[in-house]
Order: sequence, then C-alpha cells, then structure tokens
Amino acid sequence: TQLLEQSPQFLSIQEGENLTVYCNSSSVFSSLQWYRQEPGEGPVLLVTVVTGGEVKKLKRLTFQFGDARKDSSLHITAAQPGDTGLYLCAGLNTGNQFYFGTGTSLTVIP
Amino acid sequence: KAGVTQTPRYLIKTRGQQVTLSCSPISGHRSVSWYQQTPGQGLQFLFEYFSETQRNKGNFPGRFSGRQFSNSRSEMNVSTLELGDSALYLCASSRSGTQRVLNTEAFFGQGTRLTVV
Repeated sequence: TQLLEQSPQFLSIQEGENLTVYCNSSSVFSSLQWYRQEPGEGPVLLVTVVTGGEVKKLKRLTFQFGDARKDSSLHITAAQPGDTGLYLCAGLNTGNQFYFGTGTSLTVIP
Repeated sequence: KAGVTQTPRYLIKTRGQQVTLSCSPISGHRSVSWYQQTPGQGLQFLFEYFSETQRNKGNFPGRFSGRQFSNSRSEMNVSTLELGDSALYLCASSRSGTQRVLNTEAFFGQGTRLTVV
C-alpha cells in the first residue's frame, strides 16, 4: 500500500509551459518534503513544508502543503529543460514513519 | 565538503549469493538511512542507523540487514539474493536523522545498482 500517491506519473511538456504535480494521502503528515532525482544520481532535497496551508517558493517552483496536511502540490512556472527529472514527495507521518511518494517523471522538451 | 559515498556503484550477483554494500556519510553526520528504489515500488525505506544503533526499520525480510560503525560508515547486507532484489540501493546521511527531526535535510549518495541474475 502506497501512503503517498503522486500524479501524474509521467509528464512531458514543452519548454515555457507551466505544470503542477500532486502528492496525495489519506494520512496526516507532520512534515512533507519534495526531492528531485536526476538519472544516475540520488534524490536532492528541494523543500520541506511543516505547517498546514504553508506555501514556499524556490525561484520558479512553488510548493504548497494542504490545510489538513494530507496533500501537497508542486507548481513549476515556465519549465526549463533543466527541470527534467523524477520528482518525489516524502512525508513524516504522526507515527514517525517516513515514506516516499510514487514519483512523477517530468520531461521538458526544448 | 565530500558528499555521501556509496561503493560499489554497480554489482552483478547470482541468485542465492549474498552481497554487502557500503556507505560513507558526510563528515559529522551520525544518521545513515538505506532505501531500495525499483521502477515498480518506488523508493522504499529499509532501515536507519544512528550512533551505531538501528533506530528504525522498514517492512523488509530478515535477509536485509545492516550495521553502522563508530566512524558512522554503514554497511548493508542482503543474504540469499532473489531476482526481485535487483534495484538501486540508496543511502542518505543527515546530522540527526530525517526519521525523527523535522526540517532535517538528508543527503543522498549516487546509489549502488544491484542486478541479480
């Protein structure tokens, strides 16, 4: 059973387009993190959100934690080829268990 | 500052054999976590070590074991390998452990690609 479901699983878009990736669960999480993983590398942490309703911006990336702390979204504005990679959400639930999401593979075509 | 180092990068083993993977964390980091990544199951948590003690464990069979040394380096062992153990094994280090402390950044190594034939 996957506690964190991400959608879409695959996404292929043109450079300059906007996109949103979702991370959903029926469980409540104390905190949620987003990572990006490039081929042949380990995941790299992008952001951590801890408060329900929290919004964090990292250049063209906007991260939001749901009010009920059960879901999160990642929005990328004007996507660049360098944004290509596997995006993973990961959450620490109230039982102190840490789970990764199913992943979204993003390809940005020049 | 050197990153997380995993060795070897690639490994091919036969069913029934055993394998040991190594992870050297970032200097000063005392927590090492291990993950298995496969296309079908995604990233799954194996276990976490902190100061030589296993602090948390995922839902993997007893064939998967690990240990941590006094210098924080960690090893993971898989015995009686099965075809389904083929995966990318990643280790992550952090100062105090992602499992317990919010906002703790975990730094991942490049992984060891294990193929069981």
